[in-house]
Amino acid sequence: DTEVTQTPKHLVMGMTNKKSLKCEQHMGHRAMYWYKQKAKKPPELMFVYSYEKLSINESVPSRFSPECPNSSLLNLHLHALQPEDSALYLCASSLTYEFTSGGNIQYFGAGTRLSVL
Amino acid sequence: AQRVTQPEKLLSVFKGAPVELKCNYSYSGSPELFWYVQYSRQRLQLLLRHISRESIKGFTADLNKGETSFHLKKPFAQEEDSAMYYCALSGRASGSRLTFGEGTQLTVNP
Repeated sequence: DTEVTQTPKHLVMGMTNKKSLKCEQHMGHRAMYWYKQKAKKPPELMFVYSYEKLSINESVPSRFSPECPNSSLLNLHLHALQPEDSALYLCASSLTYEFTSGGNIQYFGAGTRLSVL
Repeated sequence: AQRVTQPEKLLSVFKGAPVELKCNYSYSGSPELFWYVQYSRQRLQLLLRHISRESIKGFTADLNKGETSFHLKKPFAQEEDSAMYYCALSGRASGSRLTFGEGTQLTVNP
């Protein structure tokens, strides 16, 4: 199973709502990532978790709050978002975060398409 | 600083024609290079990585350290190759973090 599963597929929320995005993988990967992707642009890294600990926060606004409850799950809690936060949010995982010769392949989920009204 | 440059935002070819998607990189050291593909309404997925030196869906890519390039090639394009292609790099200093190029949207016309 080389799949990363994200739910929900689509989400519409108002600027005062609180919602959560979920990501799950059962490949035994110990690194998990959140990306934001705008149309026709590459993914932008938001957060990296390595062995369930937050390793990288790319200066993301606090209205985005990640959580890694266990090695298979990754959540992104959303609160008081702005319309400019509307985008495709991608989750990815890799075996580890540490550099390995040949490179660690990142496996991506299908994403959650978020619209903030 | 590490950087990936894909000079063509859009590339259009006819079915059966050869196609080359260009990728140049800047990195101090020995990077790992990848090509990821995103078909319409599908997830981003790995197409090739330089260490594998294999052909996937007829595509090949050779790492040229002298020219710091990792161009993606296919001798005969198919309509189903139409997609967004991203070249990406990772390096020892940044773990498995990927630096993506801006992407090339390939359209294969019938």
